[in-house]
Amino acid sequence: ETGVTQSPTHLIKTRGQQVTLRCSSQSGHNTVSWYQQALGQGPQFIFQYYREEENGRGNFPPRFSGLQFPNYSSELNVNALELDDSALYLCASSLARQGANTGELFFGEGSRLTVL
Amino acid sequence: GNSVTQMEGPVTLSEEAFLTINCTYTATGYPSLFWYVQYPGEGLQLLLKATKADDKGSNKGFEATYRKETTSFHLEKGSVQVSDSAVYFCALKSGGSYIPTFGRGTSLIVHP
Repeated sequence: ETGVTQSPTHLIKTRGQQVTLRCSSQSGHNTVSWYQQALGQGPQFIFQYYREEENGRGNFPPRFSGLQFPNYSSELNVNALELDDSALYLCASSLARQGANTGELFFGEGSRLTVL
Repeated sequence: GNSVTQMEGPVTLSEEAFLTINCTYTATGYPSLFWYVQYPGEGLQLLLKATKADDKGSNKGFEATYRKETTSFHLEKGSVQVSDSAVYFCALKSGGSYIPTFGRGTSLIVHP
């Protein structure tokens, strides 16, 4: 059984640039969620994808966007980067039926983004 | 809306001490409750869960009991080890939401 993998693990960008983060979900999982974790804080929900469609979104601006592919892998894109976007971005996969999951999430190790 | 409140850390203990990390919640309906653990440099891992009132979740010596009357889900361990040093997150998921809500996390530091 393959766990959740994320890439890249670390990256540095400058303000105004764009970034794409990638996530491969755990084998057998059909749902991917993205979280932003600032230093010393809990994960903040960005959005969730189920069957290639966004089916939930947190309080993040439209410059945060995503995709889910037919193999259930996913991308998080952030445009016009700001200094406050510096954080650990976590991807979590789960198995959902009819779009609702049990709440048990399987997390990757995260992508640490630094915006200068 | 849903929210989770955890005690502030860091919690610093000596090895073999008793651990309690408090967690209280506000939610609509009857949520499922979770504890996740994040070891240094890693993502979060599910530690234990409880899905209804009076359920006790347990794993790796950790326990937490779903207390509906006090809206609490405190994490306990009888004898901590240095390897338990990590950040612990309480979370809930209510039936009407797709998404778990996380607390801010409590850092645990265990000294030999």
